[in-house]
Amino acid sequence: QQQVKQSPQSLIVQKGGIPIINCAYENTAFDYFPWYQQFPGKGPALLIAIRPDVSEKKEGRFTISFNKSAKQFSLHIMDSQPGDSATYFCAASWTNTGNQFYFGTGTSLTVIP
Amino acid sequence: NAGVTQTPKFRILKIGQSMTLQCTQDMNHNYMYWYRQDPGMGLKLIYYSVGAGITDKGEVPNGYNVSRSTTEDFPLRLELAAPSQTSVYFCASSLWSGLGNQPQHFGDGTRLSIL
Repeated sequence: QQQVKQSPQSLIVQKGGIPIINCAYENTAFDYFPWYQQFPGKGPALLIAIRPDVSEKKEGRFTISFNKSAKQFSLHIMDSQPGDSATYFCAASWTNTGNQFYFGTGTSLTVIP
Repeated sequence: NAGVTQTPKFRILKIGQSMTLQCTQDMNHNYMYWYRQDPGMGLKLIYYSVGAGITDKGEVPNGYNVSRSTTEDFPLRLELAAPSQTSVYFCASSLWSGLGNQPQHFGDGTRLSIL
């Protein structure tokens, strides 16, 4: 059973557009929600993360929106650039699991110049 | 700092062969993890360790073994390679501080093909 459901599977946007990637979860014990960015041939790298005590977090052009009641969170990339073309994974974890992360299935983003 | 280092980067095995994927980290992290990544499936946890001498199964442990004799090293062993184990394997580490979960830091992976 997929603990974290991610959509869409792939996304193509024009340069300057705002791609949005969505994730949903069921386990209300989750208390940490990171997003990872992965380029071909490389491991995932932490992009931004949020805890459920806030509804939004921004770091540069990347924003996480968090809706605790709906059990959903999303990644927005402002003014997207061709260099943002990568695979993005959401994840969730709760404190008492040895810091185990449950990952979504990934979204392949292509930003067209 | 090198972070998390995985070796080898690529390997081709024959069915039934065995091998060890190496992982070492220099960040003094107490937690370490092994994942496999298959197309469209995300990252699946194979095994994890919360400290030297302590390991536990993840979501997909069958066909694999691990050990953790030092804080730095967390090798993954495939005993009888099967085609279903063709995948990209990632090692990760994180620091447990007692202040809530922390990010996991990943190596660049080992691409393994079993023919």
